[in-house]
Parts: sequence; structure tokens; C-alpha cells
Amino acid sequence: EVQLVESGGGLVQPGRSLRLSCAASGFTFDEYAMHWVRQAPGKGLQWVSGISWNSGITEYTDSVKGRFTISRDNAKKSLFLQMNSLRADDTALYYCAKILSPSGAFDVWGQGTMVTVSS
Amino acid sequence: DIQMTQSPSSLSASVGDRVTITCQASQDISNYLNWYQQKPGKAPKLLIYDASNLETGVPSRFSGSGSGTNFTFSISSLQPEDIATYYCQQYHNLPWLFTFGPGTKVDIK
Repeated sequence: EVQLVESGGGLVQPGRSLRLSCAASGFTFDEYAMHWVRQAPGKGLQWVSGISWNSGITEYTDSVKGRFTISRDNAKKSLFLQMNSLRADDTALYYCAKILSPSGAFDVWGQGTMVTVSS
Repeated sequence: DIQMTQSPSSLSASVGDRVTITCQASQDISNYLNWYQQKPGKAPKLLIYDASNLETGVPSRFSGSGSGTNFTFSISSLQPEDIATYYCQQYHNLPWLFTFGPGTKVDIK
């Protein structure tokens, strides 16, 4: 079964850091670009960051550039999101998602991990 | 940046009705447009990719069409299990740019 399982979310104070993880199974992880998409409570979906299969390309939405870092460990079939200098508007459910190559569609999603930034 | 609009923002229809949602891009995106279904408390589910391709395992009552800036998503015969919010999403590959529409909430009349 193709599966993505996120972890690492929680309640954190503004300005602090958090590292999210996503464990993949059921597909050849190192063949696909992987992404993070977030959803603030009661709001729509926002792409956050993506990383190519070999980590050679990483990209971010403007609001997280310089604060978030995406990475992956293909040997461990894992995706990460290091989030620094967190702000209240980073509060969201964070999903990891697999790309349906060569399309830009997200065909596999995890269940999400909630990040709450609040003092 | 490319902006995506969806209409309507919500709709109420009867079981068996045909439901249509439109999505408009602020500039030409060719057929780089996908549709997702999100049920409450669940992750989004890909239904249609590249404007008109039905994702594997998705019922054939779902369909998509369009290109350029105007796109349409349809449910040919609304079922109770189709109650959800539907999002369109455009993409640009490398540099990556993914933008979701604001969503359309569908419920049963």
C-alpha cells in the first residue's frame, strides 16, 4: 500500500523551531519529487516547498523562504521540513505529498501533522 | 503570480443532479490544471489531472475539461458520498509553482 505518514507537529512559541518528518512506503521513493502542502484551520490549500528526487532542486513559497528548509533521505525513504522562526501565520495542518510525475498533480497525500504557533 | 478563481464558492444540489464547477486562471496555463476532493477531516484526493485525465480508481461520474484559462469540473450524477470541498490547482514545473483555487463546497439539498 502506498502511504505517507507525517510526524513532528505540535504547539510551539513564535520564533521557535520545529522539524516535520514524513515516512514513505509502498513506492520507489527515490524516483519522485516530494512536496509539503499546508492548510490553515478552516482555510484552503497552500503549497509550501518541494524537493527533487536527488535533492538537487529545492523550492519554497515566498512566505517561508529563508525560514524553512526541505530535505530528504532516500535511504530511509523520508522527507523533512525544518521550520525556523515560526510565526502565527504558519499555523496549519502540514501534508507531505508525492508528485504524479511528469504531471504536477499530487497523487499521494499523508494524513497531515498539525503545527500550532502560539504563545 | 498566477491567481486561481473558482465558482461557485458553494452549491447545494440533489442526489442525481449534474454539478459543474468552474476554475479560471489569471493567465494561460495550458492544461496544467488538476482537481481534488477533500472531505472533512481528510487529506485531499486527486480526481482529475492535466485538465481531463481521470485518476486511477476514480469513478467515471467525475470529469474535467478546458485549457488555457478556463476549466470545468463536473459530477454527472451527484451521490451522497460526493459531499466535499473541491479544489482546482494549477502547476508550473521548474521552477515549481503550485496554486490552489479557493475551493467549492458541495452539499446535498
